[in-house]
Amino acid sequence: DARVTQTPRHKVTEMGQEVTMRCQPILGHNTVFWYRQTMMQGLELLAYFRNRAPLDDSGMPKDRFSAEMPDATLATLKIQPSEPRDSAVYFCASGSPAPGLAGEAGSYNEQFFGPGTRLTVL
Amino acid sequence: QQPVQSPQAVILREGEDAVINCSSSKALYSVHWYRQKHGEAPVFLMILLKGGEQKGHEKISASFNEKKQQSSLYLTASQLSYSGTYFCGTEKEKWSYGGSQGNLIFGKGTKLSVKP
Repeated sequence: DARVTQTPRHKVTEMGQEVTMRCQPILGHNTVFWYRQTMMQGLELLAYFRNRAPLDDSGMPKDRFSAEMPDATLATLKIQPSEPRDSAVYFCASGSPAPGLAGEAGSYNEQFFGPGTRLTVL
Repeated sequence: QQPVQSPQAVILREGEDAVINCSSSKALYSVHWYRQKHGEAPVFLMILLKGGEQKGHEKISASFNEKKQQSSLYLTASQLSYSGTYFCGTEKEKWSYGGSQGNLIFGKGTKLSVKP
């Protein structure tokens, strides 16, 4: 049963500390998404990668957030320094795009979400 | 631009029907629907593509009006298991002839509660 895994599941830290969240996408999926979910804003896209290359990270606060894919089986999201307003559930999702027109990426198929990391910054 | 969902919340009795709407101010390539139960991750329901192709499952259907940039999710004869928050995710059109922008923008969700 293929699943996206995320670690840690819960993280409580103090303001100013570094936080690293990890995601293992489903084997064979070439696209990885990072989302942040809060009551106020809902599900926000932070960044996404295709074939390990970053395609868009415009949703991330650049001064403190960074996302990488060191290899095809691992994606990381790092916050340094963390702030109380970063408290949220962070989801990783993976998927593969369907073929589109003239070789361009078409609509994405189903995104498979991981269980999320619940981050609390005190 | 974040799509707008309506209503924000709805309460049903088992067996009743509901419609959840999703509208965008941008030309869309596709609309995706997800359901999230409390404390869990969102789970895919279906995709509606420009041109009318629809993919999905379960006893839930949806429509996509490309000209109005709107989609509606139809839940008929609701079951207790339908309870949760429903999100629409929209893909903007990259070019005038089609193609996907490549990522989803999710609405704020519609909370559905089905009571016995």
